[in-house]
Amino acid sequence: EVHLVESGGGLVQPGGSLRLSCAASEFTFDIYAMSWVRQAPGKGLEWVSSISGSGNTTNYGDPVLDRFTISRDNSRNMVILQMNSLRADDTAIYYCAKQIGKLGGAFDHWGQGTLVTVSS
Amino acid sequence: EIVMTQSPVTLSVSPGERATLSCRASQTVSTNLAWYQQKPGQAPRLLIYSASTRATGIPARFSGSGSGRDFTLTINSLQSEDFAVYYCQQYYNWPPRNTFGQGTKLEIK
Repeated sequence: EVHLVESGGGLVQPGGSLRLSCAASEFTFDIYAMSWVRQAPGKGLEWVSSISGSGNTTNYGDPVLDRFTISRDNSRNMVILQMNSLRADDTAIYYCAKQIGKLGGAFDHWGQGTLVTVSS
Repeated sequence: EIVMTQSPVTLSVSPGERATLSCRASQTVSTNLAWYQQKPGQAPRLLIYSASTRATGIPARFSGSGSGRDFTLTINSLQSEDFAVYYCQQYYNWPPRNTFGQGTKLEIK
């Protein structure tokens, strides 16, 4: 069974940085695109960023463009989200999600999420 | 930019009855449409992709239909575990400026 485990969340001051990790197992990792999706407290789902199976193609939502960087290590089955210049409105649960295709598509498996709180 | 609009915002249905949830795209997404269920404190779960294909392990009482701009998620014979928030998502336009609808909360009547 596909398993995704996020880590790295926590409390950070505005302007600070955090690095989220997602460890994947039980599927052929380098075939599938991966994404980060976040959910602010009491709000809906918001796609943050995605990376293709090869890692050659990355995409970002407008709110995080130029502040967040997604990467993957296919030798270690991991996806990383480096978050810089964090703002209060980045406060959310961040989910790692596997996509159905190489470049995108629906999110067929999700991790349990890691909470990021941006506050002074 | 494709905007996904779900209706109603809240739907009250009795156990055993049928629930019908709607999702409309501001422009065509063909059949590149998925539905998710999210329960409190849990991650979302994929129910339907390609507008009408049930994901692995999803009960047959869940069905999806539609193409182009208008989509429906139907849940027959509602069970207690089905009361949750449901989101639609388009993946026709990728990367998206918006990909998810705002959600429909299905509550017990």
